[in-house]
Amino acid sequence: SQKIEQNSEALNIQEGKTATLTCNYTNYSPAYLQWYRQDPGRGPVFLLLIRENEKEKRKERLKVTFDTTLKQSLFHITASQPADSATYLCALDHGNNRLAFGKGNQVVVIP
Amino acid sequence: EAGVAQSPRYKIIEKRQSVAFWCNPISGHATLYWYQQILGQGPKLLIQFQNNGVVDDSQLPKDRFSAERLKGVDSTLKIQPAKLEDSAVYLCASTYGGRNYGYTFGSGTRLTVV
Repeated sequence: SQKIEQNSEALNIQEGKTATLTCNYTNYSPAYLQWYRQDPGRGPVFLLLIRENEKEKRKERLKVTFDTTLKQSLFHITASQPADSATYLCALDHGNNRLAFGKGNQVVVIP
Repeated sequence: EAGVAQSPRYKIIEKRQSVAFWCNPISGHATLYWYQQILGQGPKLLIQFQNNGVVDDSQLPKDRFSAERLKGVDSTLKIQPAKLEDSAVYLCASTYGGRNYGYTFGSGTRLTVV
């Protein structure tokens, strides 16, 4: 069956450190992968898109990698700030411009 | 640009009652989605529209859920009759379409069925 796995445990990290989240998938062949941020009571907010032929994508303090051999994406927040505390969702291309979402991984940045 | 508008923000109904949610996507976005997000889980696609046509409704429980997108703009999602397990946040999202764009989500409607 198709699965998108994100760590269910919250990641607690000290301010200024780099937070790294993992997204593993099985039985998908995504042409691209996206990451979203979700705050309590709000809808997800698009952060980054990375295509299957791209190894790495950066946007300000965010970096995403995509390894189609390992079927894994890593999401990094460098120099983390308390304002980065949120849940981060991995989403895979599911064909026909549809996205399948993981459960999300909560990040808590401790001042 | 204005975001995706959804209403109502909250709704509490008794089981077996009916409920409707409304979504106004970003102007010019051809593709519209309804997702269901149960507490602690990721969003699950219910239905996808391209303009006013349905592209994918394979995960929509059609015995109780229905959706329409008139004139390719606003959309409504209806549940009739509601069950306890329908308690969730219903998210509407829109995009230009194609592989280069992320989705823009609304804030969602939190439905509680009692």
